[in-house]
Amino acid sequence: QSVLTQPPSASGTPGQRVTLSCSGSNSNIGSNYVYWYQQLPGTAPKLLIYRSDQRPSGVPDRFSGSKSGTSASLAISGLRSEDEADYYCAAWDDSLSGYLFGTGTKVTVL
Amino acid sequence: QVQLVESGGGVVQSGRSLRLSCAPSGFIFSNYAMHWVRQAPGRGLEWVAVIWYDGSNKYYADSVKGRFTISRDNSKNTLYLQMNSLRAEDTAVYYCARDPSDNGDWIDFWGQGTLVTVSS
Repeated sequence: QSVLTQPPSASGTPGQRVTLSCSGSNSNIGSNYVYWYQQLPGTAPKLLIYRSDQRPSGVPDRFSGSKSGTSASLAISGLRSEDEADYYCAAWDDSLSGYLFGTGTKVTVL
Repeated sequence: QVQLVESGGGVVQSGRSLRLSCAPSGFIFSNYAMHWVRQAPGRGLEWVAVIWYDGSNKYYADSVKGRFTISRDNSKNTLYLQMNSLRAEDTAVYYCARDPSDNGDWIDFWGQGTLVTVSS
């Protein structure tokens, strides 16, 4: 599978917990770390999670990542209006020798 | 602070060439692998290419292999993307991005992007 599959959309009310999924294969998520990026409207992407479950400094602990087998998840707890953005997972793919991005999930705060 | 500034984008006719540049600051450029990633209007992110810190290894997406060339000049602190035989489907914002790993396999910081429009 030369693509990382994400649901196109997710939503929640302020304060809720939202979980985004990312499905891959043995050649990408199954054998490499997963990364998550947040892209606010009209801006460049920003690193949110690295090495599957690590947060860069400055990223709130409301964001957490996990990986199991060939799938990964990003959880956003205590959802806030400023979390409304597109979220992309990514992983290196050993078969393609390339960096693979997920299809992206648009998060809406109701 | 870390900055990546892309330049060279614009409108170009299908079949022609264009060269993008990326000027880094705030970190030691020669210590980092670098990527190009693009995003077509209203679409998701698509990885284009990566070059190792010393230029010794380069990898490309199948969609650009044989047409695009990534290169760097560490003495001039500049990353390049030479794009030949451009097609309408190459229209996108092109981001330059930094890679902190030893083997060019992830991105931790992005530039603001430069828009390339290929007209038919």
